[in-house]
Amino acid sequence: DIQMTQSPSTLSASIGDRVTITCRASQSISNYLAWYQQKPGTAPKLLIYKASNLKSGVPSRFSGSGSGTEFTLTISSLQPDDFATYYCQRYNSYSLTFGGGTTVEIK
Amino acid sequence: QVQLVQSGAEVKKPGASVKVSCKASGYTFTNYYLHWVRQAPGQGLEWLGLIDPSSVSTSYAQKLQARITMSRDTSTSTVYMELSSLQSEDTAVYFCARFKWELGGFDSWGQGTLVTVSS
Repeated sequence: DIQMTQSPSTLSASIGDRVTITCRASQSISNYLAWYQQKPGTAPKLLIYKASNLKSGVPSRFSGSGSGTEFTLTISSLQPDDFATYYCQRYNSYSLTFGGGTTVEIK
Repeated sequence: QVQLVQSGAEVKKPGASVKVSCKASGYTFTNYYLHWVRQAPGQGLEWLGLIDPSSVSTSYAQKLQARITMSRDTSTSTVYMELSSLQSEDTAVYFCARFKWELGGFDSWGQGTLVTVSS
């Protein structure tokens, strides 16, 4: 099974900060990677698909990059609504794996 | 609009089985794979498996293959996830989610079903 490793597991930041979260795959996954935001008590929300494509309706301060085994999610200027947990997710036609998650906390 | 509505919370004893349903509406049921994902209290997301409603083919997470079964009823646009031999570690919120290949991700989720395993 392909493993997904996210770092850091927790991140403390202030409003307006630039935030970067990394996700590494144990083997190449091309660009088959998505990013989600989850807030307590709710289902995850898709932000980025195919590594770098912003889902319609998601603020442009979110961006994704990478291919192969290393990927990043960047929030260009952290807003109050962005304090949440973020997950990466890889997929193919018969399996799927989530990263362990990164919680963005208020500094 | 797309909706996935799950069955209600369950409390089960260790060793029992649980069957959770997920009723889809607002789209053509057989056009999209449906997946199951769970989240233990305070933990991350864990993928459980998928079902293709058009062919009834399934694929399960390796660690659960012996205990999990997914099925569907096209007449009611409902998918089911049954987990047997429950242990306390299976206590979690279970989500169904629609996978959209064009996005490579889940664009719609059920509201979640809390399954509690306790003696």
